[in-house]
Amino acid sequence: ELKVEQNPLFLSMQEGKNYTIYCNYSTTSDRLYWYRQDPGKSLESLFVLLSNGAVKQEGRLMASLDTKARLSTLHITAAVHDLSATYFCAVDMRFGNEKLTFGTGTRLTIIP
Amino acid sequence: SQTIHQWPATLVQPVGSPLSLECTVEGTSNPNLYWYRQAAGRGLQLLFYSVGIGQISSEVPQNLSASRPQDRQFILSSKKLLLSDSGFYLCAWSLGVGGGLVDEQYFGPGTRLTVT
Repeated sequence: ELKVEQNPLFLSMQEGKNYTIYCNYSTTSDRLYWYRQDPGKSLESLFVLLSNGAVKQEGRLMASLDTKARLSTLHITAAVHDLSATYFCAVDMRFGNEKLTFGTGTRLTIIP
Repeated sequence: SQTIHQWPATLVQPVGSPLSLECTVEGTSNPNLYWYRQAAGRGLQLLFYSVGIGQISSEVPQNLSASRPQDRQFILSSKKLLLSDSGFYLCAWSLGVGGGLVDEQYFGPGTRLTVT
């Protein structure tokens, strides 16, 4: 059974600082997705990572995938308040019956 | 472009009452469809998914059921709601890419259900 773990679960950081969210998964996969969820809202797609070594960047967020380590990171650079949200990674397992397995989520709070 | 709709947006129902939530997708054919539930402050729990009309896979045994009467319509139902059914219900769609793999999932706006 595929397990997807994120850490930290909660992250409170000051504006202007850098930090990284980690997503570890337990079985072979080379397709990983990052989503953002604002309080009370639905999930919004952030990044699609489809191969080992893939790196995607959008503004102050950068995501990468290391399939050999079964690890993806979401790096936040010079955080600003509007990045406060919950971030989920989701993994597509090979022969996984066409569904994603989501991580537990990381609730990020940016303090002015 | 593709669009996913859910209704109602919010719902307050008494314990023991029935439930019907609807999800429809526009602008694509033969999508995979998914129902998730999110309890307050928690992660996503996959309830059901469907890879085609009449094909439903259940992930968690409970008092909920799902149906897919049309290609782009997915319905979540219950005959008798429990307090523990309260939560944020999200419908999502994606396209299969072969080998049991799927493309990214796109989520609807969600239905917030409160069972009283």
